[in-house]
Amino acid sequence: QVQLVESGGGVVHPGGSLRISCATSGFRFIDYGMHWLRQAPGKGLEWVAFIVFDGKADNYEDSVRGRFTVTRDNSKNTVYLEMNGLRVEDSAVYYCQKEGLSEYGAYVGFVNWGPGTRVTVSS
Amino acid sequence: DIVMTQSPLSLSVTLGEPAAISCRSSQSLVHSHGYSCLDWYLQKPGQSPQLLIYLGSRRASGVPDRFSGSGSGTDFTLEISRVEAEDVGVYYCMQAIHITQVTFGQGTRLDIK
Repeated sequence: QVQLVESGGGVVHPGGSLRISCATSGFRFIDYGMHWLRQAPGKGLEWVAFIVFDGKADNYEDSVRGRFTVTRDNSKNTVYLEMNGLRVEDSAVYYCQKEGLSEYGAYVGFVNWGPGTRVTVSS
Repeated sequence: DIVMTQSPLSLSVTLGEPAAISCRSSQSLVHSHGYSCLDWYLQKPGQSPQLLIYLGSRRASGVPDRFSGSGSGTDFTLEISRVEAEDVGVYYCMQAIHITQVTFGQGTRLDIK
């Protein structure tokens, strides 16, 4: 059973930093890229960042590029999002997601969702 | 970047009546394998999203057969044959043709009339 458990959210002042984590289980972590998504209060879902299976490449949404860094520890089956220079508009529930592929490489979508972790940027 | 546009943005439906949501992408979502890389998700009030449909028309495990997805290329539709009270929430389409940079539609809020 695939599990994704996000943690580390909290309240931070504008300009501050925070690192959130996503602990995973139930699948071979090293085989999959991982996404971070977010949802601002009362708003829709937004893709934030992606890291490939071995951590050697990543990609970011334009508004966070240069401020956020996605990393992973394959020995701990955990992916992280380091957020610096936080802005009020970064306030959101952050979700991690496993690359939407089955163990056979077929596309199956984002099947499993964690509870997310809430980040609030406020003075 | 691929832009996903949903319509309508809100929908009020009588129990037992059908409902349909449209999703249009700014680029074709047809993959080389012939399928369209388009998902539908439902976010019920106070919950995390859940997968309904993937590859345009494939129902995810456990999804009732009153939900169906259709379309190809740039135009897609999610249909609910008979709306039930548990279907209330916000529906999102998502493109996955660029699997390392997905994009969601704005969301369509469905409630019961």
